[in-house]
Amino acid sequence: SQQGEEDPQALSIQEGENATMNCSYKTSINNLQWYRQNSGRGLVHLILIRSNEREKHSGRLRVTLDTSKKSSSLLITASRAADTASYFCATTLMGGYNKLIFGAGTRLAVHP
Amino acid sequence: DTGVSQNPRHKITKRGQNVTFRCDPISEHNRLYWYRQTLGQGPEFLTYFQNEAQLEKSRLLSDRFSAERPKGSFSTLEIQRTEQGDSAMYLCASSPEVGARDFFGQGTRLTVV
Repeated sequence: SQQGEEDPQALSIQEGENATMNCSYKTSINNLQWYRQNSGRGLVHLILIRSNEREKHSGRLRVTLDTSKKSSSLLITASRAADTASYFCATTLMGGYNKLIFGAGTRLAVHP
Repeated sequence: DTGVSQNPRHKITKRGQNVTFRCDPISEHNRLYWYRQTLGQGPEFLTYFQNEAQLEKSRLLSDRFSAERPKGSFSTLEIQRTEQGDSAMYLCASSPEVGARDFFGQGTRLTVV
């Protein structure tokens, strides 16, 4: 079964607005990664946040992690049409072989 | 860093045929993973190699599926007697060590007709 669940399933915004996507998971993790996927393409790595970290930034991206609530959020600021894609969170579990467990993703559409 | 390479990018096959996909990981990465992604879903783990040893297999990997990683370099995923339900994107990823980020290939899209 899927470990992570993204919320919302779909998000539609205008260029320049901020987009926030949330991810919840069930069991203790080693780290959490966010990926982007354009339609029919491979996965592009965005950010990795470790279980002992609370926030990370990369350009227009901000990721937070709350291990007490077993949740993470991805914020994209000043969105662009090129940000249109599906976004997935993926967790690795403590003590495992570091396989990624993905949620079903959030489909983001940014309109010009 | 030439990235993870997967071939072919697309494969259309008739039901009942066998297919084989190849993944070339980043050369110094000893950890290699295969995932399957169906339309509208996130990728699901299939199997994991550390060097040439296959250390974990998902329940999704039925008897018709086999994966190898000879000499700990490239890996192949073979599906025998394909079924329409095998239609999916097959993704390969590699990483250098535990806790490091994973690098994904562009995937092989399989369509079984």
